This record gives sequence, structure tokens and C-alpha cells, in this order.
Amino acid sequence: NAGVTQTPKFQVLKTGQSMTLQCAQDMNHNSMYWYRQDPGMGLRLIYYSASEGTTDKGEVPNGYNVSRLNKREFSLRLESAAPSQTSVYFCASSAYSQGSYGYTFGSGTRLTVV
Amino acid sequence: GQQVMQIPQYQHVQEGEDFTTYCNSSTTLSNIQWYKQRPGGHPVFLIQLVKSGEVKKQKRLTFQFGEAKKNSSLHITATQTTDVGTYFCAGKGQAGTALIFGKGTTLSVSS
Repeated sequence: NAGVTQTPKFQVLKTGQSMTLQCAQDMNHNSMYWYRQDPGMGLRLIYYSASEGTTDKGEVPNGYNVSRLNKREFSLRLESAAPSQTSVYFCASSAYSQGSYGYTFGSGTRLTVV
Repeated sequence: GQQVMQIPQYQHVQEGEDFTTYCNSSTTLSNIQWYKQRPGGHPVFLIQLVKSGEVKKQKRLTFQFGEAKKNSSLHITATQTTDVGTYFCAGKGQAGTALIFGKGTTLSVSS
């Protein structure tokens, strides 16, 4: 099993450029999440999708959009990248968002905005 | 909004010493989970605690959930160099649908 696959692994953008981070899971999980990780800040929730067809904002949604394309795929889009969006982005999935289920994380996308 | 706080932020120990990290929430949690992230890696799920006062062990790791379900701790006995990494607690409120993570405790171990 691949688990959670994120692409790309590394990306450098210029300010104002747009890009989409891709995430796919093969565990038949219902819920998917996007977090960003900055030094000393832990993991902060950007958006999540409790189930196919639904998305909700997390702690830091400004500047991002998401699409739950199907049960497997959950993409994160930066419409106009800013240096403050330089971060490591992690996608995660869990069986359900309600109840007690551990998250499986992807290996991350390291994004630099110059 | 809900906040999850962890202390200490950093801890350095000599191999063989014990290590403890503490997690406190501003609200009552339905459950708490612990994750480990190795340097340059991604968070990996370790365990979850659901019941008030619950204690679970995984080899040298002991996890506790407070009676009020607002705090938790992870204790490592006799640390090894393989324990190096950042340990995160994460919790959800009673009506929460996504985990809120603490900022983590980074453990370094010297031999």
C-alpha cells in the first residue's frame, strides 16, 4: 500500500504564481486534511474534507482553496502565492473525521515562494 | 478557538535518561492522539487515548490521559538515539471534526 501520496515533493514559486498540490490516498478513507508546518508552529489545519463532496475551513484557510475531486483525491490550490506561504504542506487522511481514528500523513511538499 | 499547548518545546537528554512531554488543552477533549516526526520526515501516528484517566504503554513509552480529559503526557523511559524526533499531541473537542495539533516537543539524545 502506498498510503498517502503527495506531489510534488519540492516546489519553488515566484510571488503571484499559482499552483496545485496534489494528494491521493489508497486506504478507502473518508476524511482528508491539509496542514502546513512552519518552524516552531507545529501543524496548522488549512482545510479538511470530512467526506466526499464536503470541505470546511480550518485554522489558516486564507490564500488557499481545496477540491475533493473524489474519495481518493484532495487537492490544495494557491491562487496567488505569497512568501508567507513558504512552508511544508502535509496531506493526511483518516477513516472518518468523527470518532477516534489516527491520521496517516503523506511525505509532504516543501514549498518556497520567492 | 480550541488550543493545544505542549511543553517543553525542546529537550536534550543523555542516552539512558528519561523524558516527558506534557500537553494541555483549553477545552475538554473527546480523545487525544500522539504522533512522532523524525527529522525531515512526516508525522507518524503512535497512539490514541479516549477514556478519562487512561494509561497505555508501548514498550518504553507510557501515555496518560488526564481525569478531566484536558491534559496528557508522554513518558519515555531510558531514551535511545532512535527516540530522536518531534513528538506532537493532537486533540479534538467534543464536537470537533479535525485534529488540532500542539506545537510539539523536539527531543535530542546524545550517546
